[in-house]
Amino acid sequence: EAGVAQSPRYKIIEKRQSVAFWCNPISGHATLYWYQQILGQGPKLLIQFQNNGVVDDSQLPKDRFSAERLKGVDSTLKIQPAKLEDSAVYLCASSPWRRSNTGELFFGEGSRLTVL
Amino acid sequence: GQQVMQIPQYQHVQEGEDFTTYCNSSTTLSNIQWYKQRPGGHPVFLIQLVKSGEVKKQKRLTFQFGEAKKNSSLHITATQTTDVGTYFCAGPNLSGSARQLTFGSGTQLTVLP
Repeated sequence: EAGVAQSPRYKIIEKRQSVAFWCNPISGHATLYWYQQILGQGPKLLIQFQNNGVVDDSQLPKDRFSAERLKGVDSTLKIQPAKLEDSAVYLCASSPWRRSNTGELFFGEGSRLTVL
Repeated sequence: GQQVMQIPQYQHVQEGEDFTTYCNSSTTLSNIQWYKQRPGGHPVFLIQLVKSGEVKKQKRLTFQFGEAKKNSSLHITATQTTDVGTYFCAGPNLSGSARQLTFGSGTQLTVLP
């Protein structure tokens, strides 16, 4: 079974530039998450999708971050304009939807962003 | 909001020594999950605990869920160099219809050969 695919693996940009990350979840997984992991910290949730709808984006800095999941499969996360503090690994995770609890998350390899 | 705290932040052990990391939540959890992240890698699911006082073992790893379901621990017996990585606990954050995981800050384990 193919895992969660993410691209690009690495990206270096200058501040105020824009960047986009792509994620393809495990086939059939209804729930998709974007997490931000700053070096030395645990993953922090940015946004959660259920199929193609946003369930929670309360921690997404909406003045510069946007995300979409068209057709309920692939997702893109965009940062525009980037700031130095956005340097982090952006992890995409997916899970099958379970009504009772969260269940296991399957993470992609992540996209490492460096903002100069 | 819910907070999940882990201690210690770092742990260096000699190969063969035991290792324990502790996780504490500010709220009662319906379940707790543990993940391992190798250096340069991504978090990989290890286990989920659901019942109060539950103990589960995976070879040299022993996971416990506290009686009050607000704390958990991971114990590794006789560490090996393959155990190197950061161990995260994560608790569900039930907010409305959202079901998410809040991750702790992790414990970074270094095993010296």
